Amino acid sequence: DIVMTQSPDSLAVSLGERATINCKSSQSVLYSSDNRNYLAWYQQKPGQPPKVIIYWASTRESGVPDRFSGSGSGTDFTLTISSLQAEDVAVYYCQQYYSAPPTFGPGTKVEIK
Amino acid sequence: QITLKESGPTLVKPTQTLTLTCTISGFSLSTSGVAVGWIRQPPGKALEWLALIYGNDDKRYSPSLKSRLTITKDTSKNQVVLTLTNMDPVDTATYYCVKKRHGDYNYWGQGTLVTVSS
Repeated sequence: DIVMTQSPDSLAVSLGERATINCKSSQSVLYSSDNRNYLAWYQQKPGQPPKVIIYWASTRESGVPDRFSGSGSGTDFTLTISSLQAEDVAVYYCQQYYSAPPTFGPGTKVEIK
Repeated sequence: QITLKESGPTLVKPTQTLTLTCTISGFSLSTSGVAVGWIRQPPGKALEWLALIYGNDDKRYSPSLKSRLTITKDTSKNQVVLTLTNMDPVDTATYYCVKKRHGDYNYWGQGTLVTVSS
């Protein structure tokens, strides 16, 4: 199985400031035949199911604010919230879908400072 | 509008078999390429992928739980059923029914919390 790790475990950011979450996979999730990174990011607010916000590592889901962006390739990825809003308080998970079984990172909790 | 809704027991005893049903709407389980699966989340912990079934009845299981899991579908009822045998307190979790897209999951049910306790 591909092991996903995330850092930090949690972070507190002031409103309007940038939040950066890192995700690392134990092996590359870049598929050479289509040059796509098989990685997604989810946002989970308390009491709700996760919601996909980024797929193919950098494609924003329809309706997701453009303050959310994903970057990275191979084994190292980043989710950036450019200007943190109160409604962004949540746990964020990365997930690889390069190989079976799909695996998730342990999550990063984002709070307001 | 695509929806998925989980149903099943909220409490099971150790060693019992858990049976969960996912009722879908807004798409067909018989469509080629469509896949519905299950992901669980223990309280306060991370997500764990369990199983997936495709419209052609192809099935995939978590290697670590494969011996205990069975996933089936009833296309006429628009339902996907997951069974997990020999339940243990560590299986206490919210179980989500999900629809696969590229490999990510863009539709989720609200989840059902299953507690394993005697």
